[in-house]
Amino acid sequence: EVQLVESGGGLVKPGGSLRLSCAASGFTFSSYNMNWVRQAPGKGLEWVSSISSTSAYIYYADSVKGRFTISRDNAKNSLYLQMNSLRAEDTAVYYCARVGRALAAIDYWGQGTLVTVSS
Amino acid sequence: EIVLTQSPGTLSLSPGERATLSCRASQSVSSSYLAWYQQKPGQAPRLLMYGASSRATGIPDRYSGSGSGTDFTLTISRLEPEDFAVYYCQQYGTSITFGQGTRLEIK
Repeated sequence: EVQLVESGGGLVKPGGSLRLSCAASGFTFSSYNMNWVRQAPGKGLEWVSSISSTSAYIYYADSVKGRFTISRDNAKNSLYLQMNSLRAEDTAVYYCARVGRALAAIDYWGQGTLVTVSS
Repeated sequence: EIVLTQSPGTLSLSPGERATLSCRASQSVSSSYLAWYQQKPGQAPRLLMYGASSRATGIPDRYSGSGSGTDFTLTISRLEPEDFAVYYCQQYGTSITFGQGTRLEIK
């Protein structure tokens, strides 16, 4: 069974940093492109960042470029999101998401981890 | 960046009725890269359709997708109680964008 389990969320002050982790299991992690997608309270879905299976290709939304860094460790079956210079508008549930092979769509999502940026 | 605009914002229908949800793109999107998701309160989104018209694993055949270019449609032929949720379209490329969502509520 495919499982994606996020951790690392919490309350942080504006300007602070946080590192999210996503532990993957039930599939060959190293073969899949991965994403972070967020959802502010009561709002829609917003793509944050993508990383290819070998980390060769990395993309960011303009809203986080220069502040967030996506990475992965295929030996540990883990995906990460380092978030720096956090702002109130970064408050959201952050989902770890797998892109299905040959689907061009996200076929599995984690349960999400809440990041709250507030003083 | 491709902007996806969904309509209507809210759709009020009764069980058994047909639902038609629209997704319009600001520029042409390859059908291969258009997907639909369903999200219920407190849950992660679930993939419904990919490639504009292919149902994901386990999705019942009352769901169908169509469209090309800039106009795409998700149709639910006969609404079941569990279909009332928020629906998002999404395009996939070097960046991913989502529509703002359509809330399907019980009338």
